[in-house]
Amino acid sequence: DIVMTQSPDSLAVSLGDRATIICKSSQSVLYSSNNKNYLAWYQQKPGQPPKLLIYWASTRESGVPDRFSGSGSGTDFTLTISSLQAEDVAVYYCQQYYNTPRVTFGQGTRLEIK
Amino acid sequence: EVQLVQSGAEVKKPGESLKISCKGSGYNFTSYWIGWVRQMPGKGLEWMGIIYPDDSDTTYSPSFQGQVTISADKSISTAYLQWSSLKASDTAMYYCARGWGQFDYWGQGTLVTVSS
Repeated sequence: DIVMTQSPDSLAVSLGDRATIICKSSQSVLYSSNNKNYLAWYQQKPGQPPKLLIYWASTRESGVPDRFSGSGSGTDFTLTISSLQAEDVAVYYCQQYYNTPRVTFGQGTRLEIK
Repeated sequence: EVQLVQSGAEVKKPGESLKISCKGSGYNFTSYWIGWVRQMPGKGLEWMGIIYPDDSDTTYSPSFQGQVTISADKSISTAYLQWSSLKASDTAMYYCARGWGQFDYWGQGTLVTVSS
């Protein structure tokens, strides 16, 4: 299995500041034939199911605010929230789907307000 | 509107059997894979397996192979996750989610509690 490792495990950021979450995969999730990174990001708020934010490493899902952005390639990826809002408090997960259907998730990063 | 609606919370004893459901609506249920994801209390997301409702083609995570059974009834747009003999360690929230690769729609979750 591809192991996904996120850092940090938890993060406290002031309202309006930038939040950055790192995700590393144990092997590349870049498929050379189409030059796509098989990497998604999810947001899970307390008591709710996960919500897809970003796929193909950098494509925002419809309706996701543009303060959320994804970047990276190969084995190293970043989720950035450009200006933290109170409603962004959540746990964030990365997921590889290079090995679909055997997808794997990172352990999660808890984002709080400082 | 695409929706996945899961069956309600369950409280079971060790050794009992259980089947939970996930009903899709607002889209062509037979054209999309449905995956199942476990979330143990306070923990992260674990992919369990996936099914294509049109032909019931199913793949399991090695971690869950033999421990659960995934099935679907396309006539009623419903996917299922079942256990023949529950253990206390099966206590978790279980989510169904639509997709092959990334999951774009999720059910609300079914909390399964196994306790003697």
